[in-house]
Amino acid sequence: SQKIEQNSEALNIQEGKTATLTCNYTNYSPAYLQWYRQDPGRGPVFLLLIRENEKEKRKERLKVTFDTTLKQSLFHITASQPADSATYLCALDAGNNRKLIWGLGTSLAVNP
Amino acid sequence: EAGVVQSPRYKIIEKKQPVAFWCNPISGHNTLYWYRQNLGQGPELLIRYENEEAVDDSQLPKDRFSAERLKGVDSTLKIQPAELGDSAVYLCASSPGTSGTVDTQYFGPGTRLTVL
Repeated sequence: SQKIEQNSEALNIQEGKTATLTCNYTNYSPAYLQWYRQDPGRGPVFLLLIRENEKEKRKERLKVTFDTTLKQSLFHITASQPADSATYLCALDAGNNRKLIWGLGTSLAVNP
Repeated sequence: EAGVVQSPRYKIIEKKQPVAFWCNPISGHNTLYWYRQNLGQGPELLIRYENEEAVDDSQLPKDRFSAERLKGVDSTLKIQPAELGDSAVYLCASSPGTSGTVDTQYFGPGTRLTVL
């Protein structure tokens, strides 16, 4: 069956460092992948989308890579700040344009 | 632009009682989703609407859950009767739903349901 895995343990890093979060999937060939941020008590907020034919996407301090051979996406936050502390969710398309399969999320804490 | 609005934000009920959640999507968004999210988990899709049509309700526990989206705008999700295991955050999301394009989803703040 289809499976999505994100770092199960919380990630703690020092302010200014680069945070790298991983999203792996199996039994699946998504056409695109999305990353969302979720703060406590709030719904997820869209950050970036990357398609299967794109290797890398950037937005300000955020970078996403998509390796369809490894079946993996990496999400990087450079020059991290305490305000980046949140849970980050990856979501993959389920074969049509409007249904997503969600990972469990990875909790990131950026320490000042 | 107003975001997705949900109410109530919190609800505490006793088991076997009914409960209803309301969602007002972003204006002009054709697609509406209801998700359930348990602590430490990702969102789990319950039902997806394209305008007023429920196009994916395969994950909706139909014995106790029901949903409607009258006139293709606001939506209501109901649980009757509620069980202890229904305690979770219920998220509503909407997307433009333009045919042939990839949609990103816009979420409301959710309703936190506690069943005692």
